[in-house]
Amino acid sequence: NAGVTQTPKFQVLKTGQSMTLQCAQDMNHNSMYWYRQDPGMGLRLIYYSASEGTTDKGEVPNGYNVSRLNKREFSLRLESAAPSQTSVYFCASGGRAGELFFGEGSRLTVL
Amino acid sequence: KNEVEQSPQNLTAQEGEFITINCSYSVGISALHWLQQHPGGGIVSLFMLSSGKKKHGRLIATINIQEKHSSLHITASHPRDSAVYICAVSRLGGADGLTFGKGTHLIIQP
Repeated sequence: NAGVTQTPKFQVLKTGQSMTLQCAQDMNHNSMYWYRQDPGMGLRLIYYSASEGTTDKGEVPNGYNVSRLNKREFSLRLESAAPSQTSVYFCASGGRAGELFFGEGSRLTVL
Repeated sequence: KNEVEQSPQNLTAQEGEFITINCSYSVGISALHWLQQHPGGGIVSLFMLSSGKKKHGRLIATINIQEKHSSLHITASHPRDSAVYICAVSRLGGADGLTFGKGTHLIIQP
């Protein structure tokens, strides 16, 4: 039972570099989410996808793009990384009952 | 004002103590969630509840819909319970996942 798998777990970037965080779930969930977690801020929604083929902005979407490649996969892209994007990123998927299942997190540092 | 407020922010207790973490919310909800995050670790769901009380092992979660308040209790606390406990709500009519509190950092000392 893999659940929600996200990669990479750790990444260091220089300002201006780009990267993509990958997320896949094997629970046949329609809804998928990307959050960032910063000290003292709690988890904040970046983007979400209520179903395959749809994506919507969350609370903090600036500087990010997403792709819902298929029902399983939901990727988050930083086109030009900035130090303010240093954070821990969590992917999650949601079942019909509303419960969320989280990935292990990706720790990103932008220098 | 945040839609989900937790208290206390930090809590240190001795092994064996009874622990209570509180959560208040200001929006209409379809469910309330309690999550656990160990240091450097992922986030796991402990409870999802929309009324009454749920129990799992030494953990008990209660919710009072009229007062918009929930509590998470830990009985006979143990050092392995040390973690951040996060309250989150599913807003009524919301399709954008959960709204989170800032978490309670719990340390249980042996």
